Formats: sequence, structure tokens, C-alpha cells
Amino acid sequence: SAVISQKPSRDICQRGTSLTIQCQVDSQVTMMFWYRQQPGQSLTLIATANQGSEATYESGFVIDKFPISRPNLTFSTLTVSNLSPEDSSIYLCSVSGRTRSEKLFFGSGTQLSVL
Amino acid sequence: AQSVAQPEDQVNVAEGNPLTVKCTYSVSGNPYLFWYVQYPNRGLQFLLKYITGDNLVKGSYGFEAEFNKSQTSFHLKKPSALVSDSALYFCAVRDIWNRDDKIIFGKGTRLHILP
Repeated sequence: SAVISQKPSRDICQRGTSLTIQCQVDSQVTMMFWYRQQPGQSLTLIATANQGSEATYESGFVIDKFPISRPNLTFSTLTVSNLSPEDSSIYLCSVSGRTRSEKLFFGSGTQLSVL
Repeated sequence: AQSVAQPEDQVNVAEGNPLTVKCTYSVSGNPYLFWYVQYPNRGLQFLLKYITGDNLVKGSYGFEAEFNKSQTSFHLKKPSALVSDSALYFCAVRDIWNRDDKIIFGKGTRLHILP
């Protein structure tokens, strides 16, 4: 199993600013995933972050808006840049188990509100 | 590209009755399938998964799911619903032959158990 610590748990930000979310895992993992969940909605994959390479972004998400860092096998950050009210959402960090058949482990999420 | 569909936004079931939450999937290869549950203001909790073998898998809280390859379905079931089962349920799929190795979630089904 994996224990994920995600910070901050919530934040209220002004339009035009940026928020960086940190994700720390208690074990080394190859792949980390960042999801967005809008209120009462499904999880939408933003990007997959591999250590030592550029993150892979899903359609509709771009690096300029959602830059990701993955400096080592236990840590990643997601920045949401140039915030607008439409970015208000829950952002979730997730990691997979050692094998591809393993379930995803989720952080507790970051609830972002943009004024 | 892989996808997963949950055709019902909401399912209402009387307490004590059997429940079914539907899920269908589309992958190019063989799927790994998962069910997660999300209670209000709480993180995602893993319920069960299908990897291979027996088509009927049993999971947490008395839930089970049946993998049907010909119908590309993975419906979640419980023989006798409890009021405490009321929550948001997500089906997810991973295409084991997809190099992107990502897990995609359905839109979610809100389950209401009526006392």
C-alpha cells in the first residue's frame, strides 16, 4: 500500500494568481497521476507524471496552465496557473501500486476556490 | 482510446433490496476494472477490482461485481442495500495494453438508499 500526503488540503485564491499543490508518497513509485474533480462530478485525468521525464498531459490540459514537477520517485507538484473561477475544483494526487493490476491510491485532495 | 460509461446519474433503491450500479467499458486490449466509492466530504475508497480469473469478484462492504466480456460490462451489485451505502460510485478502467498506462473514471453514479 501507499500513503499519500497532499498539501494544502484547501485554499482560497485570487483570480490571476497561482497555487502549487504538493504530493508526497511514503514509498517510491514510478507513475503519479493528477486528477481534477469538479463538485459532484467525475475525476478527470490532468496528466501523468513520470520521474525524469516530461509529464504527459491529457486533451484539454496544457503545461503552461498546469506545470508539473517530478524531481524524484516520492514527490510531485502540480501548479495551477493564472487562476480563474473555472479552476475551482478538487485536485487529487494518485499513485499506482507496484504492478499495473494494482489499485490507485489517492491523496486526500486539495479543494481550491478561486474568487 | 479507452473509455468507461456509467449510464445512470442516480439510482434509488429501498433499504434491504438488491442494488445494481451499471458500468460498461471500451478498451483496445484487455481491461483491468475497478470500483471506487466516495462518501460526502471524503476521499475515494477502493471497493473491488477485476484483473483476471473468476468473473464474479467480491469486495468491501458486501459489494460484488460481475465481469462480462461479451457485453463489456462490469456492474456493481449488492444483495441487500443499506442506508449507509448512499454515496457516489465510480467505475474505472485501465487498458493493460495501452502504453499510456492511465486509469480512466466514469462520470459516477449517485446511489440513494431509501429507508
